[in-house]
Amino acid sequence: AQSVTQPDIHITVSEGASLELRCNYSYGATPYLFWYVQSPGQGLQLLLKYFSGDTLVQGIKGFEAEFKRSQSSFNLRKPSVHWSDAAEYFCAVALYGGSQGNLIFGKGTKLSVKP
Amino acid sequence: KAGVTQTPRYLIKTRGQQVTLSCSPISGHRSVSWYQQTPGQGLQFLFEYFSETQRNKGNFPGRFSGRQFSNSRSEMNVSTLELGDSALYLCASSDGTPRVDEQFFGPGTRLTVL
Repeated sequence: AQSVTQPDIHITVSEGASLELRCNYSYGATPYLFWYVQSPGQGLQLLLKYFSGDTLVQGIKGFEAEFKRSQSSFNLRKPSVHWSDAAEYFCAVALYGGSQGNLIFGKGTKLSVKP
Repeated sequence: KAGVTQTPRYLIKTRGQQVTLSCSPISGHRSVSWYQQTPGQGLQFLFEYFSETQRNKGNFPGRFSGRQFSNSRSEMNVSTLELGDSALYLCASSDGTPRVDEQFFGPGTRLTVL
């Protein structure tokens, strides 16, 4: 069965430090991958997506992610974290085919930012 | 364009009651998906509607149902509420064409079952 694993439940980084959030997926074919961010009490906002092509994708708010097929990973990175980045981050995979609109999410990684 | 709207934002019900949640997608979007978010289970897919037809369904009991209207607005109904149904219910809309595309999420409806 398809699954998404985010190994880190909670990460704390200092403001200005670099960030990497891990995501591993289990899926037989080439996946469609997403990173979403959720601030407290809010819905989900898309940071970036990978469908095909260049394996390094750029997103909003200075985030980027790299798709590594050999490692079944899609890690999210940011070179310098800002206090406003404190939120929960979700990696998700979408199933391609006749059934759309079905995202499988990881359990999320909560990011705290130290001043 | 206005974003995805969900009403109500907060709801308190008691066990055994039923509840209906509403979602208005972004104008022009034909696909609406529903997700349940709880601290224990995370984000789980409930179902997706496209052009008034349920196109995909997650692994939830039959107490959870939905529908979509001709204007793409969608409602989700939960009958015979249980304490475990307390959750944030998120609605997402997308164009719904065969190619997988970005889903736009609403702010959610926070349901509390007492």
